[in-house]
Amino acid sequence: DVKVTQSSRYLVKRTGEKVFLECVQDMDHENMFWYRQDPGLGLRLIYFSYDVKMKEKGDIPEGYSVSREKKERFSLILESASTNQTSMYLCASSTSGGRSGNTIYFGEGSWLTVV
Amino acid sequence: GESVGLHLPTLSVQEGDNSIINCAYSNSASDYFIWYKQESGKGPQFIIDIRSNMDKRQGQRVTVLLNKTVKHLSLQIAATQPGDSAVYFCAEKVGGNNRLAFGKGNQVVVIP
Repeated sequence: DVKVTQSSRYLVKRTGEKVFLECVQDMDHENMFWYRQDPGLGLRLIYFSYDVKMKEKGDIPEGYSVSREKKERFSLILESASTNQTSMYLCASSTSGGRSGNTIYFGEGSWLTVV
Repeated sequence: GESVGLHLPTLSVQEGDNSIINCAYSNSASDYFIWYKQESGKGPQFIIDIRSNMDKRQGQRVTVLLNKTVKHLSLQIAATQPGDSAVYFCAEKVGGNNRLAFGKGNQVVVIP
């Protein structure tokens, strides 16, 4: 089974703090994603990466950055957390190859509250 | 954390009945579709997928139907159980694009 692990399930941070959300997948997937999920807004893509050290902006990248130094690990960084970044953050991964049928598998989510 | 199920269309189903959840997708070029189940406080879980060259695909207690003419996808759950209570949402993908576009979701509540 695919395993996508988000190291922190619940975090409370202060406004202005730097926040790291870590994600590891164990299936040698090329693609990794960070989404945020908010009531009424569904899943929104922040950033994704299709290879080590490669990244592309998603739909809402402002206020976030990412790091992919190793294939299995994809980190989301909030340089200066703000209250409007309070959300559930979901990491995901998938195989690549450009073919249809590359299912995206999700982690269990990280609940971030910024106070 | 606040439930992701707030403000979503809700389907209430009696335990043992069949459930049908519908999804209208947006891109006629989409060629791959997935249904996810998300329980409260958890990440989305893959249920079943279907490619655009198929009209129907069956899994364990679940069936996905695809109508490309009207860009409609449905998920049928047979003999709904309390453990099926969750938010269900569809996702579509276009060809070589690795990104998925997600629907907002439907809340299913199973009444014992």
